[in-house]
Amino acid sequence: EIVLTQSPGTLSLSPGERATLSCRASQTIGSTQLAWYQQKAGQAPRLLIYGASSRATGIPDRFSGSGSGTDFTLTISRLEPEDFAVYYCQQYGSSQTFGPGTKVEIK
Amino acid sequence: QVQLQESGPGLVKPSQTLSLICTVSGGSISSTTFYWSWIRQPAGKELEWIGRVYINGNTNYNPSLKSRVTISRDTSKNQFSLKLTSVTAADTAVYYCARARYMDVWGKGIPVTVSS
Repeated sequence: EIVLTQSPGTLSLSPGERATLSCRASQTIGSTQLAWYQQKAGQAPRLLIYGASSRATGIPDRFSGSGSGTDFTLTISRLEPEDFAVYYCQQYGSSQTFGPGTKVEIK
Repeated sequence: QVQLQESGPGLVKPSQTLSLICTVSGGSISSTTFYWSWIRQPAGKELEWIGRVYINGNTNYNPSLKSRVTISRDTSKNQFSLKLTSVTAADTAVYYCARARYMDVWGKGIPVTVSS
């Protein structure tokens, strides 16, 4: 089973700042089958990025994904107030697993 | 657009079987493009993938739950379902259904409590 590790656990930033979230896999993820989700309290997760770098429908271009193999990054170029949430990575190359999440909180 | 809706009892007694249904609207569960998945999330904790079913009936499960989980689909009703046997308090969570492999459509989730 592929285990995903996310860092940092919590990111404290101000609106307008850049956020860089990391997701590391215990094994190589084939064909960049890595997705990122945003979850706000009391809501279902929302798909942001799939295929490591493709934005889902309706996702603003301030969200970008990169990486391959075992190391992946989600970048939010300029944080908007609505971006403060928990972010999960997920691999769907070998079965499916989620990372433990990174909370982006207001500093 | 495609929408998913979970339904089922919100309270299950320990040792019993948790049974949930996900109804798909606005699209067909018979699509060969997607899997149909169940995910759960205990309060304040991370997401846990439970398993998935494909239109041909093939299934994959989380190894940690495999012995207790069955996921199936009913194409005539455009639904898929989850059964989790021998539940304990550790199975208390919000249960989501989603269209996979990357999960682009989610249900709103249904909270399930395991308690006597």
